[in-house]
Amino acid sequence: DTGVSQDPRHKITKRGQNVTFRCDPISEHNRLYWYRQTLGQGPEFLTYFQNEAQLEKSRLLSDRFSAERPKGSFSTLEIQRTEQGDSAMYLCASSFTGGALDEQFFGPGTRLTVL
Amino acid sequence: SQQGEEDPQALSIQEGENATMNCSYKTSINNLQWYRQNSGRGLVHLILIRSNEREKHSGRLRVTLDTSKKSSSLLITASRAADTASYFCATGPGGTSYGKLTFGQGTILTVHP
Repeated sequence: DTGVSQDPRHKITKRGQNVTFRCDPISEHNRLYWYRQTLGQGPEFLTYFQNEAQLEKSRLLSDRFSAERPKGSFSTLEIQRTEQGDSAMYLCASSFTGGALDEQFFGPGTRLTVL
Repeated sequence: SQQGEEDPQALSIQEGENATMNCSYKTSINNLQWYRQNSGRGLVHLILIRSNEREKHSGRLRVTLDTSKKSSSLLITASRAADTASYFCATGPGGTSYGKLTFGQGTILTVHP
């Protein structure tokens, strides 16, 4: 399967703990995006990378959130000192900007539950 | 924040009928995309329409875009039970934020066999 993969698929943690999610994009894609989706809502943009450079961050991305894409391939999203309000589905997507379209391909998501 | 609104919020039809979902947005866009999401799973890209296009077809899907009204519609013809899902429109803005998508709240479509 050459699609976008995310790990883990589910994470349950206690409030105050740190969690880290991983995203592996489609191999030739140079852009990688993180979104967050809460129940009954559409995904909300968090941040995106072009290669290893983080080009934009949403105001939703508080200081407790950090994302990296160290070698321009996989990316990690870390949440420190988790809060119950962080409970959501975290979606990763990737795209290739060399073509005419900027179609984003999404992974299956990581569902985070903060107790 | 959400860019646009989808209408209706929920739609229930019988298999074989057509389903139409509408999306409105607020700011200028580079493109508009429609995605499908089955319960609790990732999003599947359906179709992309550029701001200089008015209509696009893909299989049983037809998308229209009216930039003067800042609105789009997705038509699914001859619906099937497998089309049951949430459908989201997402806009790709122009300018320096090219690539970042802003999603609406979605339409929940239920197709009864």
